[in-house]
Amino acid sequence: GAVVSQHPSRVICKSGTSVKIECRSLDFQATTMFWYRQFPKQSLMLMATSNEGSKATYEQGVEKDKFLINHASLTLSTLTVTSAHPEDSSFYICSASAGGSGANVLTFGAGSRLTVL
Amino acid sequence: AQSVTQLGSHVSVSEGALVLLRCNYSSSVPPYLFWYVQYPNQGLQLLLKYTTGATLVKGINGFEAEFKKSETSFHLTKPSAHMSDAAEYFCAVSEAGGGNKLTFGTGTQLKVEL
Repeated sequence: GAVVSQHPSRVICKSGTSVKIECRSLDFQATTMFWYRQFPKQSLMLMATSNEGSKATYEQGVEKDKFLINHASLTLSTLTVTSAHPEDSSFYICSASAGGSGANVLTFGAGSRLTVL
Repeated sequence: AQSVTQLGSHVSVSEGALVLLRCNYSSSVPPYLFWYVQYPNQGLQLLLKYTTGATLVKGINGFEAEFKKSETSFHLTKPSAHMSDAAEYFCAVSEAGGGNKLTFGTGTQLKVEL
């Protein structure tokens, strides 16, 4: 079946540095990828929709300059947390869609846990 | 706007007992409804989905859910819990044809005891 790989699974960084998280579709081409943020004991909050070859669409309240998304190919989307601060510590999850309008084709990555010291 | 409410952040059942995880949704248009399971440090795995047609949907691992429009509910059930069912369960809703944008509930942690 479809597999989505996220890297790194865990990352610890110092405040003020930038961190890049990769989301790869391993055996299918993903025209659309979604980035979610999950706080402890809370639900997944959609941050942005990443479309290959075009600018990402951010949800209301998500800082575009803070969370840079690049979807340069049909198999890779990256999320860069710029000038990270402790409040950015969270679990970030991506999902990928092979196409179509039905959410039944979404495949989720295993998530990346970011800790900002 | 859509929303999902999952009643009970923690549910504990005995092995072999019925599992019932509650989900109510709010949507101004016909919804697509989903249940996902998340094991520790893993991504989300689709258990089952309702899009159109039969309102009782069967998923993997013996789970099923029934779409009840009059109650705006999509509760998840399993007749007999197994230890391996212990995980976090998320209910989600999207608009029909909504381009894969999912709105998730806050999740229910299922504990299965011997």
